Amino acid sequence: NAGVMQNPRHLVRRRGQEARLRCSPMKGHSHVYWYRQLPEEGLKFMVYLQKENIIDESGMPKERFSAEFPKEGPSILRIQQVVRGDSAAYFCASSELAGGREQYFGPGTRLTVT
Amino acid sequence: GDSVTQMEGPVTLSEEAFLTINCTYTATGYPSLFWYVQYPGEGLQLLLKATKADDKGSNKGFEATYRKETTSFHLEKGSVQVSDSAVYFCALSDQLTQKLVFGQGTRLTINP
Repeated sequence: NAGVMQNPRHLVRRRGQEARLRCSPMKGHSHVYWYRQLPEEGLKFMVYLQKENIIDESGMPKERFSAEFPKEGPSILRIQQVVRGDSAAYFCASSELAGGREQYFGPGTRLTVT
Repeated sequence: GDSVTQMEGPVTLSEEAFLTINCTYTATGYPSLFWYVQYPGEGLQLLLKATKADDKGSNKGFEATYRKETTSFHLEKGSVQVSDSAVYFCALSDQLTQKLVFGQGTRLTINP
């Protein structure tokens, strides 16, 4: 059973460009979580999605950030008009059951904004 | 809101030393508690967990006990190895929202 997959692993964008981060959950998992890790800090929750639904987006910045988890295909975290402060590692996790007692993490996407 | 506070690092020990990394939490309700480990350049791996008071999670020689009276979940290992060098994160799972709330992480370095 393949683990959580994220791509790309490294992404470089210039200020003002768009960044698209993809996450494929573990097989059979329909709950996806996105977290952001700033340098030398812990992970901060961004958004929790089920297939076609956003359940909790309380950690998402109000502007420029959006997330989706379509019926088919991976979950996408989209950052429009990136700024230097968006440089971070973005991790996706998935769980099988509602309640998220055990979340399995992907390897992360390291975004660098130049 | 819920929060997790970890012992500040970095922590440097010699091989075979005893390890304790302190973790305390603040939460409403009865969260589940976790320790995750992050090796350089990689994602987080679940190390151990406990879902209710007095539960002890254990894995690979690491242990942590869910202490409700002291709101703590300290990580311990009796004899560390060089391969244990990593960043360790304590976390709780919010009962209502399901999200994980992480501590700031503790960087551990084990010298041979």
